[in-house]
Amino acid sequence: DTGVSQDPRHKITKRGQNVTFRCDPISEHNRLYWYRQTLGQGPEFLTYFQNEAQLEKSRLLSDRFSAERPKGSFSTLEIQRTEQGDSAMYLCASSLILASTDTQYFGPGTRLTVL
Amino acid sequence: RKEVEQDPGPFNVPEGATVAFNCTYSNSASQSFFWYRQDCRKEPKLLMSVYSSGNEDGRFTAQLNRASQYISLLIRDSKLSDSATYLCVVNRGAAGNKLTFGGGTRVLVKP
Repeated sequence: DTGVSQDPRHKITKRGQNVTFRCDPISEHNRLYWYRQTLGQGPEFLTYFQNEAQLEKSRLLSDRFSAERPKGSFSTLEIQRTEQGDSAMYLCASSLILASTDTQYFGPGTRLTVL
Repeated sequence: RKEVEQDPGPFNVPEGATVAFNCTYSNSASQSFFWYRQDCRKEPKLLMSVYSSGNEDGRFTAQLNRASQYISLLIRDSKLSDSATYLCVVNRGAAGNKLTFGGGTRVLVKP
């Protein structure tokens, strides 16, 4: 499978615990995005990387959230001290930037449930 | 007001019929537009890009009206497999090309 992969696919945790999600983009894609989607809503942008540099963070990304892409390949998204409001689908997308536009391909997502 | 707005539906469509729906966007600086399809509990998948001149891909036709700031999607000869949520997506083209999604329009095609 040469698509975007995410791990785990599902995570159930108790409030206050830390969780970490991983995203493996399509090989050679230099951009990687994280989005969050809650039930009945469209995905909302969280942050993105170009290679290993994190270039933008949404105000949705509180200081409990941190993302890394240390070698410009896979990325991790960590949520510290989880809250029930963090329950959502976390989607990763990757793209190859060419000229000024790129097509983003999404992974299957990690569904987080905070009890 | 949301930056991208869609009628959530559902649009109940008889198999073989035509269905059309719009989405409006508020940022006139938006540069590129897309329709993504999302099946229940799955990831969004690109259905088609939307070009200024309008474009067609098989049974799907997308139109862009920059003056009125709306995008439309028309599905002809609906199939049961077209049942999904259709997400209207706007790219402002600023650094990063992050996508702004509408809330989705749910389409249910019934026999």
